[in-house]
Amino acid sequence: SAVISQKPSRDICQRGTSLTIQCQVDSQVTMMFWYRQQPGQSLTLIATANQGSEATYESGFVIDKFPISRPNLTFSTLTVSNMSPEDSSIYLCSAGERATNEKLFFGSGTQLSVL
Amino acid sequence: DAKTTQPNSMESNEEEPVHLPCNHSTISGTDYIHWYRQLPSQGPEYVIHGLTSNVNNRMASLAIAEDRKSSTLILHRATLRDAAVYYCILLPNFGNEKLTFGTGTRLTIIP
Repeated sequence: SAVISQKPSRDICQRGTSLTIQCQVDSQVTMMFWYRQQPGQSLTLIATANQGSEATYESGFVIDKFPISRPNLTFSTLTVSNMSPEDSSIYLCSAGERATNEKLFFGSGTQLSVL
Repeated sequence: DAKTTQPNSMESNEEEPVHLPCNHSTISGTDYIHWYRQLPSQGPEYVIHGLTSNVNNRMASLAIAEDRKSSTLILHRATLRDAAVYYCILLPNFGNEKLTFGTGTRLTIIP
């Protein structure tokens, strides 16, 4: 199994600023993903964090708004840039080996409120 | 991508079995059926997955229809801690390995 730690667990930010969320896994993993969960909604995949290369973004998400780093097999960051109140959500990190035949693990999320 | 259909909500009495249905009529032969659940204020957690045969683990059982167009997650004896949103997700064996969450079923356990 893998334990995922996310920092911060919550934050309140001013519009126009940026916040970087950290995701640390206690073991090396092949796959890491970032999700967003808006209030009362299901999870939406933002991007796949690729080790040593640019992240792969889903439709509707762009690198300028959500830059992602993955410098090694245990760590990734997601930055929410130039925030607006519409960015208020829970952001979750997920990691694992293979999604198909094995389980993925999730952090407990970062609750972001933008004023 | 093949889609799944789940009821929006279900209720069950504590200490009774719960059967959570999922329809996936457009499933392909190489799609695995995964179940995850999200407890309140937590990230999702893996429950179980299968391909063709029924599967059991310490958390639940997964019953897969012979034609694979539907499946049922079975909680054998529901507890209050099982109150969560349950997601049924199809994952292809090759290529795209991203978990795509639908709306899921919100399970309420009645004491």
